[in-house]
Amino acid sequence: NAGVTQTPKFRILKIGQSMTLQCTQDMNHNYMYWYRQDPGMGLKLIYYSVGAGITDKGEVPNGYNVSRSTTEDFPLRLELAAPSQTSVYFCASSYPGAVARVTQYFGPGTRLTVL
Amino acid sequence: RKEVEQDPGPFNVPEGATVAFNCTYSNSASQSFFWYRQDCRKEPKLLMSVYSSGNEDGRFTAQLNRASQYISLLIRDSKLSDSATYLCVVNMGQTSYDKVIFGPGTSLSVIP
Repeated sequence: NAGVTQTPKFRILKIGQSMTLQCTQDMNHNYMYWYRQDPGMGLKLIYYSVGAGITDKGEVPNGYNVSRSTTEDFPLRLELAAPSQTSVYFCASSYPGAVARVTQYFGPGTRLTVL
Repeated sequence: RKEVEQDPGPFNVPEGATVAFNCTYSNSASQSFFWYRQDCRKEPKLLMSVYSSGNEDGRFTAQLNRASQYISLLIRDSKLSDSATYLCVVNMGQTSYDKVIFGPGTSLSVIP
């Protein structure tokens, strides 16, 4: 199993540009998540999904959009990049279940810089 | 008050030392607790769950104190490879989505 994979690993965007961060998992997990991590800060939840076709906002959803057309894929879209979106983005997945929901498996992250 | 708080450190300890981290949480209804480890510029990985009775995994011991709303992680006989940031994670278990909060992390450097 590859686990959770993310592409690209690094990206530099100009203000106002758009991009999609890709996330794929091969563990057949129902739950998937997008987080951002700013230097010295904890992970902040952007969006999450409990299954194909179902998504919901997390703590910091503004400026982002997601879709979940398949169990495996959970792309994150930035429409109009802003310097405040400079961060490391992690995708994660987990099984449903009271305890297992928190045993999240993370991808390697995408380091995004907006200039 | 933040939902999950940790001493950011850094903790600089010599090899072989014992080091302890604490984490406090604000929601008394929180249901489950975990420690994750994050190496520099890497993704977080589950280190261990924290059970009410306390639990041990080799050199690592986790404790939960519900009355005082804190959890702890004790590392004995520190190794160089233990150098990382340790994230306290609390599942507040509200509604159909279990609200999972990651603490900001405590940085540990084990020195030769």
